[in-house]
Amino acid sequence: LAKTTQPISMDSYEGQEVNITCSHNNIATNDYITWYQQFPSQGPRFIIQGYKTKVTNEVASLFIPADRKSSTLSLPRVSLSDTAVYYCLVGGRLSGSGNTGKLIFGQGTTLQVKP
Amino acid sequence: GAGVSQSPSNKVTEKGKDVELRCDPISGHTALYWYRQSLGQGLEFLIYFQGNSAPDKSGLPSDRFSAERTGGSVSTLTIQRTQQEDSAVYLCASSLGGARPATDTQYFGPGTRLTVL
Repeated sequence: LAKTTQPISMDSYEGQEVNITCSHNNIATNDYITWYQQFPSQGPRFIIQGYKTKVTNEVASLFIPADRKSSTLSLPRVSLSDTAVYYCLVGGRLSGSGNTGKLIFGQGTTLQVKP
Repeated sequence: GAGVSQSPSNKVTEKGKDVELRCDPISGHTALYWYRQSLGQGLEFLIYFQGNSAPDKSGLPSDRFSAERTGGSVSTLTIQRTQQEDSAVYLCASSLGGARPATDTQYFGPGTRLTVL
Protein backbone atom coordinates (compact mmCIF):
# COMPACT_ATOMS: atom_id res chain seq x y z
CA LEU A 1 0.00 0.00 0.00
CA ALA A 2 1.29 3.43 -0.92
CA LYS A 3 2.84 5.52 1.81
CA THR A 4 1.67 9.09 2.22
CA THR A 5 3.44 12.19 3.42
CA GLN A 6 1.63 15.29 4.61
CA PRO A 7 2.48 18.23 6.86
CA ILE A 8 2.21 17.49 10.56
CA SER A 9 0.38 20.71 11.29
CA MET A 10 -1.08 23.84 9.72
CA ASP A 11 -2.56 27.04 11.06
CA SER A 12 -5.21 29.16 9.42
CA TYR A 13 -7.73 31.86 10.21
CA GLU A 14 -11.48 31.84 9.90
CA GLY A 15 -12.71 32.62 6.43
CA GLN A 16 -9.51 31.59 4.67
CA GLU A 17 -9.13 28.81 2.15
CA VAL A 18 -6.93 25.98 3.36
CA ASN A 19 -5.02 23.65 1.08
CA ILE A 20 -3.42 20.52 2.48
CA THR A 21 -1.11 18.67 0.13
CA CYS A 22 -0.31 14.99 0.41
CA SER A 23 2.51 13.19 -1.39
CA HIS A 24 2.09 9.58 -2.50
CA ASN A 25 4.90 8.88 -4.93
CA ASN A 26 4.32 5.12 -5.01
CA ILE A 27 0.61 5.21 -5.73
CA ALA A 28 -0.54 2.21 -7.73
CA THR A 29 -2.69 2.29 -10.83
CA ASN A 30 -5.73 0.96 -9.01
CA ASP A 31 -5.38 3.07 -5.87
CA TYR A 32 -7.93 5.68 -4.91
CA ILE A 33 -7.12 8.76 -2.80
CA THR A 34 -9.33 9.32 0.21
CA TRP A 35 -9.37 12.02 2.86
CA TYR A 36 -10.78 11.64 6.36
CA GLN A 37 -11.33 14.21 9.10
CA GLN A 38 -11.10 13.43 12.81
CA PHE A 39 -12.24 15.56 15.72
CA PRO A 40 -11.01 14.85 19.25
CA SER A 41 -12.75 11.91 20.91
CA GLN A 42 -14.51 10.93 17.68
CA GLY A 43 -13.89 8.40 14.95
CA PRO A 44 -12.62 9.57 11.56
CA ARG A 45 -15.19 10.90 9.13
CA PHE A 46 -15.02 10.53 5.35
CA ILE A 47 -14.58 13.84 3.52
CA ILE A 48 -13.85 13.12 -0.12
CA GLN A 49 -12.43 10.52 -2.48
CA GLY A 50 -11.01 10.73 -5.97
CA TYR A 51 -8.99 8.92 -8.59
CA LYS A 52 -7.81 11.70 -10.91
CA THR A 53 -8.38 15.35 -11.85
CA LYS A 54 -10.78 17.21 -9.59
CA VAL A 55 -13.58 16.15 -7.31
CA THR A 56 -15.85 18.54 -5.46
CA ASN A 57 -18.56 17.98 -2.90
CA GLU A 58 -20.39 20.16 -0.42
CA VAL A 59 -17.50 20.02 2.03
CA ALA A 60 -14.27 20.18 0.06
CA SER A 61 -12.48 19.86 -3.25
CA LEU A 62 -9.78 17.38 -4.13
CA PHE A 63 -7.22 18.18 -6.78
CA ILE A 64 -5.17 15.36 -8.29
CA PRO A 65 -2.54 16.08 -10.95
CA ALA A 66 -2.08 13.85 -13.96
CA ASP A 67 0.81 11.88 -12.43
CA ARG A 68 -1.27 11.23 -9.27
CA LYS A 69 1.85 11.41 -7.12
CA SER A 70 0.24 14.03 -4.93
CA SER A 71 -3.17 15.39 -4.07
CA THR A 72 -4.47 18.57 -2.47
CA LEU A 73 -7.45 18.84 -0.20
CA SER A 74 -9.00 22.28 -0.39
CA LEU A 75 -11.31 23.57 2.33
CA PRO A 76 -13.06 26.80 1.35
CA ARG A 77 -13.59 29.50 3.96
CA VAL A 78 -12.72 27.49 7.06
CA SER A 79 -14.37 28.08 10.40
CA LEU A 80 -13.31 27.26 13.95
CA SER A 81 -15.24 24.00 13.69
CA ASP A 82 -12.90 22.80 10.95
CA THR A 83 -10.13 22.43 13.51
CA ALA A 84 -9.32 18.74 13.30
CA VAL A 85 -6.82 16.18 12.07
CA TYR A 86 -6.99 15.47 8.35
CA TYR A 87 -5.76 12.15 6.99
CA CYS A 88 -4.77 11.41 3.42
CA LEU A 89 -5.00 7.75 2.47
CA VAL A 90 -4.31 5.76 -0.65
CA GLY A 91 -4.74 2.09 -1.18
CA GLY A 92 -7.06 -0.78 -1.66
CA ARG A 93 -7.44 -2.54 -4.93
CA LEU A 94 -10.35 -2.35 -7.30
CA SER A 95 -10.87 -6.04 -7.71
CA GLY A 96 -9.42 -9.46 -7.16
CA SER A 97 -9.08 -11.77 -4.22
CA GLY A 98 -7.61 -10.41 -1.05
CA ASN A 99 -9.07 -6.97 -1.61
CA THR A 100 -10.06 -5.75 1.81
CA GLY A 101 -10.24 -2.01 1.45
CA LYS A 102 -8.51 -1.63 4.79
CA LEU A 103 -7.35 1.89 5.48
CA ILE A 104 -3.73 2.65 6.28
CA PHE A 105 -3.54 5.89 8.22
CA GLY A 106 -0.46 8.09 8.42
CA GLN A 107 0.16 10.77 11.01
CA GLY A 108 -2.33 13.18 9.50
CA THR A 109 -2.28 16.97 9.44
CA THR A 110 -3.51 18.82 12.49
CA LEU A 111 -5.30 21.93 11.25
CA GLN A 112 -5.78 24.69 13.78
CA VAL A 113 -8.23 27.41 12.74
CA LYS A 114 -7.88 30.62 14.69
CA PRO A 115 -10.46 33.40 15.08
CA GLY B 1 -30.47 6.70 10.32
CA ALA B 2 -28.38 5.21 13.08
CA GLY B 3 -24.65 5.21 12.65
CA VAL B 4 -22.08 2.78 13.94
CA SER B 5 -22.35 2.31 17.68
CA GLN B 6 -19.81 0.91 20.08
CA SER B 7 -19.99 -0.16 23.68
CA PRO B 8 -18.81 0.49 26.24
CA SER B 9 -17.59 4.00 25.54
CA ASN B 10 -15.00 3.65 28.27
CA LYS B 11 -13.51 0.58 29.88
CA VAL B 12 -11.02 0.48 32.71
CA THR B 13 -9.59 -2.90 33.56
CA GLU B 14 -6.74 -4.43 35.48
CA LYS B 15 -3.76 -6.01 33.84
CA GLY B 16 -4.39 -9.68 33.13
CA LYS B 17 -8.16 -9.42 32.84
CA ASP B 18 -10.11 -10.18 29.66
CA VAL B 19 -12.25 -7.53 27.96
CA GLU B 20 -14.91 -7.60 25.27
CA LEU B 21 -15.65 -4.63 23.05
CA ARG B 22 -18.81 -4.51 20.98
CA CYS B 23 -19.58 -2.94 17.62
CA ASP B 24 -22.99 -2.50 16.01
CA PRO B 25 -22.50 -1.59 12.36
CA ILE B 26 -24.87 0.33 10.15
CA SER B 27 -27.73 -1.90 9.08
CA GLY B 28 -27.07 -3.50 5.71
CA HIS B 29 -23.31 -2.97 5.80
CA THR B 30 -21.57 -6.24 5.07
CA ALA B 31 -18.01 -5.04 5.68
CA LEU B 32 -16.77 -4.31 9.18
CA TYR B 33 -13.36 -3.16 10.34
CA TRP B 34 -11.64 -2.79 13.68
CA TYR B 35 -8.90 -0.20 14.17
CA ARG B 36 -6.88 0.90 17.17
CA GLN B 37 -5.69 4.40 17.91
CA SER B 38 -2.99 5.04 20.46
CA LEU B 39 -0.62 7.92 21.10
CA GLY B 40 2.45 6.03 20.16
CA GLN B 41 1.15 4.18 17.11
CA GLY B 42 -1.47 6.40 15.53
CA LEU B 43 -4.47 4.77 13.92
CA GLU B 44 -3.85 1.16 12.87
CA PHE B 45 -5.91 -1.54 11.20
CA LEU B 46 -6.66 -4.68 13.19
CA ILE B 47 -9.12 -6.93 11.36
CA TYR B 48 -11.63 -6.93 8.51
CA PHE B 49 -14.88 -8.86 8.22
CA GLN B 50 -16.89 -9.49 5.10
CA GLY B 51 -20.10 -10.98 6.37
CA ASN B 52 -19.18 -13.34 9.18
CA SER B 53 -15.79 -14.30 7.83
CA ALA B 54 -12.52 -12.49 8.47
CA PRO B 55 -10.36 -12.64 5.33
CA ASP B 56 -7.84 -10.20 6.76
CA LYS B 57 -6.62 -10.55 10.33
CA SER B 58 -3.18 -9.22 9.56
CA GLY B 59 -3.39 -6.30 11.98
CA LEU B 60 -4.10 -8.26 15.15
CA PRO B 61 -1.02 -7.61 17.33
CA SER B 62 -0.94 -10.94 19.14
CA ASP B 63 -2.91 -14.12 19.75
CA ARG B 64 -4.45 -12.45 22.79
CA PHE B 65 -6.62 -10.54 20.35
CA SER B 66 -9.57 -12.15 18.61
CA ALA B 67 -12.78 -11.02 17.01
CA GLU B 68 -15.97 -12.55 15.78
CA ARG B 69 -19.01 -11.43 13.94
CA THR B 70 -22.37 -13.14 14.07
CA GLY B 71 -25.38 -12.84 11.82
CA GLY B 72 -23.44 -10.52 9.56
CA SER B 73 -24.04 -7.75 12.04
CA VAL B 74 -22.67 -7.29 15.56
CA SER B 75 -18.97 -7.84 16.11
CA THR B 76 -17.06 -8.43 19.32
CA LEU B 77 -13.36 -7.76 19.78
CA THR B 78 -11.92 -9.74 22.67
CA ILE B 79 -8.60 -9.04 24.34
CA GLN B 80 -7.38 -11.73 26.71
CA ARG B 81 -4.94 -11.18 29.55
CA THR B 82 -4.82 -7.45 28.89
CA GLN B 83 -1.51 -5.62 29.11
CA GLN B 84 -0.85 -1.94 29.70
CA GLU B 85 0.26 -1.50 26.09
CA ASP B 86 -3.27 -2.51 25.03
CA SER B 87 -4.53 0.83 26.32
CA ALA B 88 -5.93 2.71 23.34
CA VAL B 89 -9.13 3.78 21.64
CA TYR B 90 -10.62 0.90 19.69
CA LEU B 91 -12.59 2.05 16.66
CA CYS B 92 -15.04 0.11 14.58
CA ALA B 93 -16.07 1.04 11.05
CA SER B 94 -18.53 -0.43 8.59
CA SER B 95 -19.11 -0.07 4.89
CA LEU B 96 -21.39 -1.48 2.22
CA GLY B 97 -18.74 -4.00 1.17
CA GLY B 98 -19.20 -5.99 -2.00
CA ALA B 99 -16.99 -6.12 -5.04
CA ARG B 100 -15.18 -2.82 -4.62
CA PRO B 101 -14.40 -2.17 -0.96
CA ALA B 102 -11.54 0.11 -1.94
CA THR B 103 -14.02 2.77 -2.95
CA ASP B 104 -16.47 2.12 -0.13
CA THR B 105 -16.92 4.87 2.38
CA GLN B 106 -16.13 3.59 5.85
CA TYR B 107 -18.29 4.97 8.63
CA PHE B 108 -16.62 5.00 12.02
CA GLY B 109 -18.12 4.61 15.44
CA PRO B 110 -17.16 6.81 18.40
CA GLY B 111 -14.75 4.23 19.74
CA THR B 112 -14.16 2.50 23.05
CA ARG B 113 -11.44 3.96 25.22
CA LEU B 114 -9.66 1.09 26.96
CA THR B 115 -7.42 1.77 29.92
CA VAL B 116 -5.42 -1.09 31.39
CA LEU B 117 -4.09 -0.35 34.85
